[in-house]
Amino acid sequence: GENVEQHPSTLSVQEGDSAVIKCTYSDSASNYFPWYKQELGKRPQLIIDIRSNVGEKKDQRIAVTLNKTAKHFSLHITETQPEDSAVYFCAASNNNNDMRFGAGTRLTVKP
Amino acid sequence: DAGITQSPRHKVTETGTPVTLRCHQTENHRYMYWYRQDPGHGLRLIHYSYGVKDTDKGEVSDGYSVSRSKTEDFLLTLESATSSQTSVYFCAISEREAGELFFGEGSRLTVL
Repeated sequence: GENVEQHPSTLSVQEGDSAVIKCTYSDSASNYFPWYKQELGKRPQLIIDIRSNVGEKKDQRIAVTLNKTAKHFSLHITETQPEDSAVYFCAASNNNNDMRFGAGTRLTVKP
Repeated sequence: DAGITQSPRHKVTETGTPVTLRCHQTENHRYMYWYRQDPGHGLRLIHYSYGVKDTDKGEVSDGYSVSRSKTEDFLLTLESATSSQTSVYFCAISEREAGELFFGEGSRLTVL
């Protein structure tokens, strides 16, 4: 089955700096790559996703890039704010119901 | 937030006892999932359902069973709870395969 690895496990940045979280996947047939944000004590929520026919997608301060050849995808957050502090999860799916998640990255944005 | 509720939200039980967690949705979504969340492991799929009475195993299905007798309800049962099943359990729903997952608030289970 699919295996998703996520790095780093923790990330601390100053407010206003950029943050980058990287994920690799093993199944070349995977074609859907979402990112979820989970605030402390809350449920995970989708923040952005990308499908394999697109190389990059942006939504305000958040962007995701996908390199299918290398089987990796990344989340970029620019102009970070304290409210961006949370755990972020990447995931990969092969158009089926078995979506595999990375282990998560705890992002801390210091004011 | 999508109309999805889990019950109970917190439960403490003893090893060997049966436990059932309930997920209820009001969105009429076809797909429902049970995940467990543990530190260092992210979210791992236990079982999922693609319709009434249609279910399948996920990555970590051993020790768990599920049932879906109605579109709106998806039950997760631990026939004989073990300490390794102490975890936070999230139910999720989706309109499509490989689509956005809407998660419930989670159920924290402690097995002593």
